Amino acid sequence: DQQVKQNSPSLSVQEGRISILNCDYTNSMFDYFLWYKKYPAEGPTFLISISSIKDKNEDGRFTVFLNKSAKHLSLHIVPSQPGDSAVYFCAATKNRDDKIIFGKGTRLHILP
Amino acid sequence: SQTIHQWPATLVQPVGSPLSLECTVEGTSNPNLYWYRQAAGRGLQLLFYSVGIGQISSEVPQNLSASRPQDRQFILSSKKLLLSDSGFYLCAWTYGLGEQYFGPGTRLTVT
Repeated sequence: DQQVKQNSPSLSVQEGRISILNCDYTNSMFDYFLWYKKYPAEGPTFLISISSIKDKNEDGRFTVFLNKSAKHLSLHIVPSQPGDSAVYFCAATKNRDDKIIFGKGTRLHILP
Repeated sequence: SQTIHQWPATLVQPVGSPLSLECTVEGTSNPNLYWYRQAAGRGLQLLFYSVGIGQISSEVPQNLSASRPQDRQFILSSKKLLLSDSGFYLCAWTYGLGEQYFGPGTRLTVT
């Protein structure tokens, strides 16, 4: 049973435009959500997170939106840059001390 | 600052051979430690996690095992590798703050 779903395996976006990566979850007990970025042959790096008490968190070019009623979150990258080309993993946890459940990832290609 | 090390970076092993991957964390004490595997089309699959020395929880039944002989050392092992064990193995740590920090990973190819 996949509790965190990233239904788009890949996404291509023109440089300078907005990239929107989507994620759905099924477990209503999740209360903390994270996004990780991964380059080939490297470990994932933490990007941004959001607590369930918020609906938006912004950090520079990255904004995460949370819609609890729809059990949906999204990551917006504006403007998209070539270095943003990577695999992005959505993740969720029941509390900040519990194990983190990851989605399968979305490969983002930023086109010149 | 905290750092996490994994070795080896790459490994090619024949089917049926043993495996030992090591992960160590520096700059923190009593971290929660995790082993993940990234296989094609499978995302990040949690294999084991540990909240302390000698405490191991297994998430997926398989021919792999994990041990934590010291506070900041986490070892992934197998007595006999299968072809399906090929993948990219990642160690991660967290100190109860939610965000996990990953090591550089080990690329394992079983031939």
